[in-house]
Amino acid sequence: DQQVKQNSPSLSVQEGRISILNCDYTNSMFDYFLWYKKYPAEGPTFLISISSIKDKNEDGRFTVFLNKSAKHLSLHIVPSQPGDSAVYFCAAKISGTYKYIFGTGTRLKVLA
Amino acid sequence: EAQVTQNPRYLITVTGKKLTVTCSQNMNHEYMSWYRQDPGLGLRQIYYSMNVEVTDKGDVPEGYKVSRKEKRNFPLILESPSPNQTSLYFCASTPGGGRYTGELFFGEGSRLTVL
Repeated sequence: DQQVKQNSPSLSVQEGRISILNCDYTNSMFDYFLWYKKYPAEGPTFLISISSIKDKNEDGRFTVFLNKSAKHLSLHIVPSQPGDSAVYFCAAKISGTYKYIFGTGTRLKVLA
Repeated sequence: EAQVTQNPRYLITVTGKKLTVTCSQNMNHEYMSWYRQDPGLGLRQIYYSMNVEVTDKGDVPEGYKVSRKEKRNFPLILESPSPNQTSLYFCASTPGGGRYTGELFFGEGSRLTVL
């Protein structure tokens, strides 16, 4: 059973517009949620994280929103740039452990 | 430069021939882990280690072994590789305790093909 789900395998957005990537989870025992970006032939790179006690975290063009009642996480990228084109993974850490569960990824394409 | 280094980056081997993928980090991180990435399945955790001599199973540990004899190294061992272990493998580390921010630092990946 997939505990962290990214239901959109791909997303295309025009340069300068907002990109919204979504993630749903089923386990209430997660204490951190994270977003990673991955280019081909490279390891995932950390973008932004949020603790389960918060509902928003912002870092430059990236904002993560956490809706605990809906068990939903989203990443907003504003404005989107062609260099943002990559696969984005959301991940969640189980409280009290270092066990991470990753989603299956969303491929973002930012069109120039 | 702070980094996680994996070797080899690419390997083609045959069924049953034992192999080891090494992972080393220079950030003095307590926590290290291994993941495999497969199409449509995302990243799945194989094993993780919270410190020297402390390891635990992730979601897909079958067919793999690990050891953590030193803080900086966390090798992944495939005692008898099979074709279903053909995958892209990533090692990751993160500081524990008060330095923990949730961020995992990943290596560049090791692409393994088992024929």
